[in-house]
Amino acid sequence: GENVEQHPSTLSVQEGDSAVIKCTYSDSASNYFPWYKQELGKGPQLIIDIRSNVGEKKDQRIAVTLNKTAKHFSLHITETQPEDSAVYFCAASISNDMRFGAGTRLTVKP
Amino acid sequence: EAGVAQSPRYKIIEKRQSVAFWCNPISGHATLYWYQQILGQGPKLLIQFQNNGVVDDSQLPKDRFSAERLKGVDSTLKIQPAKLEDSAVYLCASSLLLAGGRETQYFGPGTRLLVL
Repeated sequence: GENVEQHPSTLSVQEGDSAVIKCTYSDSASNYFPWYKQELGKGPQLIIDIRSNVGEKKDQRIAVTLNKTAKHFSLHITETQPEDSAVYFCAASISNDMRFGAGTRLTVKP
Repeated sequence: EAGVAQSPRYKIIEKRQSVAFWCNPISGHATLYWYQQILGQGPKLLIQFQNNGVVDDSQLPKDRFSAERLKGVDSTLKIQPAKLEDSAVYLCASSLLLAGGRETQYFGPGTRLLVL
């Protein structure tokens, strides 16, 4: 089955700096790659997603890139703010069978 | 639009007891998922329903876990009997059913279970 690896497990940045989280996946048939943000005591919330026919997608301060050949995708957050502090999960999906990475705890220091 | 609803939000039980969780998906979402999220890990799929039928329950520990979605809307997940290692957050998610299978899953707030 699909295996998703995510790193780093923790990331600390200064407010205003950029943050990058990387994931790799094993099954080349995966065709949907969402990113979720999970705050303490809440369920994961979708922040951005990318499909296999697209290489890059941007939404304001958040961008995701996908390299299908290398089977990796990345989340980029620019101009980080304290409210960006949370756990971020990547996932890879084949026909609604979604596998998650282990998560990255992002801390943005004011 | 109302999101995915789950109850209870918290539950504390002793090992060998039984527990049930309830989920109400987003209106119109044919696909419903139950995930287990152990502290410090990503969610792990337990079972996936499409309407009232099971699509995938390969990771559901069937000796103690059961789930149903009788009318194709609400769903319940039951653990009987509970073990210490079942302590986790149980997340429910739902998605539309469209061709291609690349639909966004929307998560509820989860039920945090502590087994003592």
